[in-house]
Amino acid sequence: AQTVTQSQPEMSVQEAETVTLSCTYDTSESDYYLFWYKQPPSRQMILVIRQEAYKQQNATENRFSVNFQKAAKSFSLKISDSQLGDAAMYFCAYRTFNNDMRFGAGTRLTVKP
Amino acid sequence: AAGVIQSPRHLIKEKRETATLKCYPIPRHDTVYWYQQGPGQDPQFLISFYEKMQSDKGSIPDRFSAQQFSDYHSELNMSSLELGDSALYFCASSAPTGLYEQYFGPGTRLTVT
Repeated sequence: AQTVTQSQPEMSVQEAETVTLSCTYDTSESDYYLFWYKQPPSRQMILVIRQEAYKQQNATENRFSVNFQKAAKSFSLKISDSQLGDAAMYFCAYRTFNNDMRFGAGTRLTVKP
Repeated sequence: AAGVIQSPRHLIKEKRETATLKCYPIPRHDTVYWYQQGPGQDPQFLISFYEKMQSDKGSIPDRFSAQQFSDYHSELNMSSLELGDSALYFCASSAPTGLYEQYFGPGTRLTVT
C-alpha cells in the first residue's frame, strides 16, 4: 500500500518570504500522480499543484512550485512571496492511475505579517 | 466554473439514526469519490464510482453504502450512526480524461449526538 509522510506538523513563514513543505511517499508503482491540496479554515480542499511521475520537469503554478525527486520519493512544495491568504493546512497526496487518493497527515502553515 | 455540490452542508443526527449525503459532480465528470475527515485528521478514502459502477473501496464501514445514479450524482447512505461517525464528509469528482486530479466539494459536516 502506498503511504504518504509529511514530517512537519507545523511551519511558519514571514509574509513575502519563501517556505518549503516536505513530503515523502512510499510506493512500488512506476506511474502515479502527486498533488498538493490546501485546506483553509473554511475546510474546503483546494488543489494547489499537480505532478505526473513520468515527467522530470518540476511543476510550477505562479508562486507555488515543487521539487520532485522520484528516486528519493520526495515531493516538496515551495511557496514563494508568501501571503497571509496562504495560511492553511497543506496536504500532500498520492494516487495511481485508477485509484483513490492517499493523503499525508498535513502541515499547518502560519504566515506572520 | 461549476464546482462539486454537496448537500446538506451541515447535518445533525442522533445515534442509531440514518443519514443520506448527496453529491453532484462537476458537469462531464464521470467519477465520484467519497472521503471522511475526522477532527484533526487527513481525509480517508471511503468509496468511489466510475460510470455508475463501484470502482474502488476503502475504509467504508458495512453500515455505509453508496451509489452513483444515471445523472452521475452520488449518495452516501449511513445507517446505525455512531458518535465516531461525526466528521466532515467530502465528495470529489474527476474527469474522464486529463490528469485525473480530483476536485473536492465543500463537504458535509455530520454531527452525531
